[in-house]
Amino acid sequence: DAKTTQPNSMESNEEEPVHLPCNHSTISGTDYIHWYRQLPSQGPEYVIHGLTSNVNNRMASLAIAEDRKSSTLILHRATLRDAAVYYCILRPHQGGSEKLVFGKGMKLTVNP
Amino acid sequence: KAGVTQTPRYLIKTRGQQVTLSCSPISGHRSVSWYQQTPGQGLQFLFEYFSETQRNKGNFPGRFSGRQFSNSRSEMNVSTLELGDSALYLCASSFSLAGGGETQYFGPGTRLLVL
Repeated sequence: DAKTTQPNSMESNEEEPVHLPCNHSTISGTDYIHWYRQLPSQGPEYVIHGLTSNVNNRMASLAIAEDRKSSTLILHRATLRDAAVYYCILRPHQGGSEKLVFGKGMKLTVNP
Repeated sequence: KAGVTQTPRYLIKTRGQQVTLSCSPISGHRSVSWYQQTPGQGLQFLFEYFSETQRNKGNFPGRFSGRQFSNSRSEMNVSTLELGDSALYLCASSFSLAGGGETQYFGPGTRLLVL
């Protein structure tokens, strides 16, 4: 399973943008980059995913490096509700399984 | 649309007992995966069921088993419980129309405490 590397933790201030980095130097050509987050006392929830191009949705943006060896999840205006553990995960498309391989993730603290 | 539901939410058992946890996926979803979350090991994949067949399995001992019913509801069973089995057990579901890589929807989990 392809591996990702994230900082252990980050802090941000409420209503400011926050950039969450992820390194995945061994990514293969068919791996999608997925982000999930886990709020306290809840199951993980999907945030966003992409292959090569930058992606936007109502929750966040995903910026993918041209060589695809790193990516950045961008929360445009952090709120207290965004305080969670964020997981960057590589997944093969149509890989025959819905298995997610979670790393340690990165804990985001949002200060009021 | 109802989300993924798991029952029970909390459970206390003693060593040596066995336990069965239940997961009801989102309506129409055919894939159900199970995960174990502990402070030491984080989130670890247990197994995935698709159309009543185990499609993938993680690196857990045979004491951990599961099954899926024709309505896609799934159960996992842990026999001969050990203290180290204390964990949050999460299930996730998806349509899995493309055979992998789809968004996973997680339930709130069952917190198991083994004494």
